[in-house]
Amino acid sequence: ELKVEQNPLFLSMQEGKNYTIYCNYSTTSDRLYWYRQDPGKSLESLFVLLSNGAVKQEGRLMASLDTKARLSTLHITAAVHDLSATYFCAVDGETSGSRLTFGEGTQLTVNP
Amino acid sequence: DGGITQSPKYLFRKEGQNVTLSCEQNLNHDAMYWYRQDPGQGLRLIYYSQIVNDFQKGDIAEGYSVSREKKESFPLTVTSAQKNPTAFYLCASSIRGQQSYEQYFGPGTRLTVT
Repeated sequence: ELKVEQNPLFLSMQEGKNYTIYCNYSTTSDRLYWYRQDPGKSLESLFVLLSNGAVKQEGRLMASLDTKARLSTLHITAAVHDLSATYFCAVDGETSGSRLTFGEGTQLTVNP
Repeated sequence: DGGITQSPKYLFRKEGQNVTLSCEQNLNHDAMYWYRQDPGQGLRLIYYSQIVNDFQKGDIAEGYSVSREKKESFPLTVTSAQKNPTAFYLCASSIRGQQSYEQYFGPGTRLTVT
């Protein structure tokens, strides 16, 4: 059974600080996805990482994938309040077809 | 505009009633999915369909049923057998057979059963 674990699950940080969210998964996969969810809203796709060593950046967020370590990171640079949301990573295992397995989510709060 | 629509946005029902949630997509995606999300929790897969007239149970299918008669549509019925149906329901779709299985989500339906 594919397991996806995120940590931390809750993160409170000050504006201007840097931090990293970690996503570990338990099976071989070259594909990992990051999503953002605002309170009461649906999920919005942030990054699609499709190979070992893939790195994607958008604004203050940068995601990377290390398939050998089965680890993805979502790095936040100089956080701002607008980044407050819940962030999910998701993996599709080699035998799971198109279904994704999601992590529990990291609830990020950026304080002024 | 291409996208996924879910209706209604809010739904209220009495216990013992079946209710059907609508999900339509015009992205020409083969695969569609239903998830349930409880407050402060992650997503749990209810059912998914990779092709018309075929669907598979996810992790929490008990008390739910689906159909996939058209590529564009994947309705979810929450039956009276579902013990705790109050939740936020999300529908998603993805292209099948491509390098990426990125899922695109609809806006969700918030179901309250009293």
